[in-house]
Amino acid sequence: DADVTQTPRNRITKTGKRIMLECSQTKGHDRMYWYRQDPGLGLQLIYYSFDVKDINKGEISDGYSVSRQAQAKFSLSLESAIPNQTALYFCATSDSSGSHNEQFFGPGTRLTVL
Amino acid sequence: AQKVTQAQTEISVVEKEDVTLDCVYETRDTTYYLFWYKQPPSGELVFLIRRNSFDEQNEISGRYSWNFQKSTSSFNFTITASQVVDSAVYFCALIGDSGGGADGLTFGKGTHLIIQP
Repeated sequence: DADVTQTPRNRITKTGKRIMLECSQTKGHDRMYWYRQDPGLGLQLIYYSFDVKDINKGEISDGYSVSRQAQAKFSLSLESAIPNQTALYFCATSDSSGSHNEQFFGPGTRLTVL
Repeated sequence: AQKVTQAQTEISVVEKEDVTLDCVYETRDTTYYLFWYKQPPSGELVFLIRRNSFDEQNEISGRYSWNFQKSTSSFNFTITASQVVDSAVYFCALIGDSGGGADGLTFGKGTHLIIQP
């Protein structure tokens, strides 16, 4: 079984709809991240969480919110989706006590906003 | 602020040729970590290597090698005797230690490598 899972893997939605992307991990890591990837732009950090009680904005957090429901779960929400949020979204985890700073990525969620 | 530059947007070579992907970075941190990831057409991110700022030894892993030079702030990646399966987008990334290493990776925009048979 994969250590970092994302659901759904693909999603098509309409402008204005609320959508949630979920990430779960079995690695026991304390840190979790959400990135988005746009063609030709690499990955950009949306939000990150040091632990359940700590949430931090990344470089492109506008239009997004997150929830760290448990150490193993980190959800990303688009309250009112817009077409320029069409992208590939990655969740990642890392362990503050382990191999320093290595991040483990989920398989990605491809989101299309029409 | 941190920055990673991968100036080569796309590289196309014929199979068995050697190819080098360039990565130049900027950071004010004295301790930092550099990474390379591979993204094949299937979309997942595959970790290739991590290098910390105090270790300038070059590394070789099979056909892959990495040249880290602090003097030029570069962390270049060479594939020797390229194969079609090496075709992918390759990302260089950086994380500094000033935020405890917890504030996420800074990625370059990626280099699309095409290996022609």
